[in-house]
Order: sequence, then C-alpha cells, then structure tokens
Amino acid sequence: DAGVIQSPRHEVTEMGQEVTLRCKPISGHNSLFWYRQTMMRGLELLIYFNNNVPIDDSGMPEDRFSAKMPNASFSTLKIQPSEPRDSAVYFCASSPSGTSGTGELFFGEGSRLTVL
Amino acid sequence: SQKIEQNSEALNIQEGKTATLTCNYTNYSPAYLQWYRQDPGRGPVFLLLIRENEKEKRKERLKVTFDTTLKQSLFHITASQPADSATYLCAPRVGNYQLIWGAGTKLIIKP
Repeated sequence: DAGVIQSPRHEVTEMGQEVTLRCKPISGHNSLFWYRQTMMRGLELLIYFNNNVPIDDSGMPEDRFSAKMPNASFSTLKIQPSEPRDSAVYFCASSPSGTSGTGELFFGEGSRLTVL
Repeated sequence: SQKIEQNSEALNIQEGKTATLTCNYTNYSPAYLQWYRQDPGRGPVFLLLIRENEKEKRKERLKVTFDTTLKQSLFHITASQPADSATYLCAPRVGNYQLIWGAGTKLIIKP
C-alpha cells in the first residue's frame, strides 16, 4: 500500500511568493493533519480535518496560511505571501481513526520549505 | 501549560545493551501515549501505544511503561543495534485527537 504522499519534497522560494504544499492521505483514512517541524519548536499541529471538514485550525500561524481538503484523497496547505520564518519541514499525516479512535498517525516524508 | 520533557541530550549506548528513554509530562492526564521513531529527512513512524490503564506494553525488542502517578513513560530497546539509531518522539494524547509532542531524544547505538 502506498503511504501518505507529499509534494514537493523540497521547495526553495523567495519571500513574498506563494507556496502550495500537497498531500494525498492513505485511502480509507478519515483524519488528516498538517504539522510543521522546526528545531526550535519541534512538531506543531497546524490544522486537523475529519471527513474532509476542518475541525481545528487554531495552530495556523496567521492569515497567510490556509488549508483545504476538497475530497478524501487530497489536501493542500498554502502560504501567501511566504516569509523567511516559514522555513520548516511541513508534514501531512493521516489516521484511520476519527475522534473516537486511538489515533496513531501515518506521516508523509515531508516538504522541506526554504524561504529566502 | 502542557509540557512534555524528553532526554534533552543525545543518548549514546553500546550495541547489545538496553537503551532507556524517558518522557515526562505535566498538567494533564492523557488517556494514552504514543511513541514514534524519526530518521533524518523522514517522517515520524508509529511504534507503540500504551493506554492509561496499562502498566507495560511490549513489541519484539521494544517495551513501554506508563506511570500515571509519576506522569512518566519509559521506552526501552533491548539488545540494541546500530540500526536502532534515530530520534524517538513521545506523544501523549489530549482530548479527542490532539497529540502533544516531545522534542525527541536522539539515540546513537555504537557498534
């Protein structure tokens, strides 16, 4: 089975540009999470979707960040405009369990973003 | 505020010995706790889950304990191998879906 698929794996962009990160969760998983990982702050939850509906976006840093999940097999995280402090590794993770499950997460390989 | 503490320094262990990693948490009572492994440049990989009513859980060479009184989980790797070298993340679950992540402990197994 294919795992969680993220693209691009690496993105280098200039400050002010729009960045779109993509995620394909594991088929049949109904929960999807976007995380950001930095050395200073570790793993931070940005947004959680359940059955394609955003449940918790309290971790989204500011209005420059937006996420969508138009269907069960695709999600995007967009940063517009990007800033150097957005440089991090962004992970998408899916889970077969909803809010009632034990919630082990299956992570993608991440998208490493560098904003110059 | 909720806080997770893991061994802040890298842990160097001789091959064949048992590695023990510590996870301490404060200010809440998680229903269960998960452990993940993360290799450089990769996403975390789920290893084990232990519930609040379980004292110990085993999977092959891995063992996890959970002491809700001490607010601590210990993660053991017996007969350690160089391939076990990685960063190990502790993640107690809070509420219905939220995992609170520790910073991780870097484990180095020396041949």
